[in-house]
Amino acid sequence: DTGVSQDPRHKITKRGQNVTFRCDPISEHNRLYWYRQTLGQGPEFLTYFQNEAQLEKSRLLSDRFSAERPKGSFSTLEIQRTEQGDSAMYLCASSPLNSGNTIYFGEGSWLTVV
Amino acid sequence: AQSVTQLDSQVPVFEEAPVELRCNYSSSVSVYLFWYVQYPNQGLQLLLKYLSGSTLVESINGFEAEFNKSQTSFHLRKPSVHISDTAEYFCAVSPSPAAGNKLTFGGGTRVLVKP
Repeated sequence: DTGVSQDPRHKITKRGQNVTFRCDPISEHNRLYWYRQTLGQGPEFLTYFQNEAQLEKSRLLSDRFSAERPKGSFSTLEIQRTEQGDSAMYLCASSPLNSGNTIYFGEGSWLTVV
Repeated sequence: AQSVTQLDSQVPVFEEAPVELRCNYSSSVSVYLFWYVQYPNQGLQLLLKYLSGSTLVESINGFEAEFNKSQTSFHLRKPSVHISDTAEYFCAVSPSPAAGNKLTFGGGTRVLVKP
């Protein structure tokens, strides 16, 4: 399968712990995106990279959140000192530069903070 | 800034009946429009998109959507639904490619197809 891959698919953590999610985009896709989706809501944009450069961050991305894409391939999203409000599905997506604005989503990483 | 409103949070429909999912958007710039589908416990899959040209766009599985600029709408329709169409559907908008393909989604419409 050559789609967007996310790991882990599910994570349960205690409040205050740190968690990290990994995303492997479709090969040769320059752009990589992170979205957050809570129950009953549509996905909300968090941040995106073009190659290794993080070009935009949403105001939703508090100081406890950090995303990296060090070599312009896979990306990680780390949440420090998790709070119950962080419980959500974290979606990664990727696209080539000239895709007609089409982006391709992974299956998401579910986070439950207890 | 853009925003998307999906007027119906849930739409129950009988198998083989038609369905329409409503989507209205607001934007100060030209936008590209998308419908994504999300099956249970899965990520989002692109259903169809409008970038330019014909205002009526179709998907391979029988859905169609019509872009109406004057009404700022992009409603999704299917003349005859199947049980397998049970899913959540999201309308989304994106500004020009220079903005990095960032999507703004509506709140979603959950379609439940009943036999």
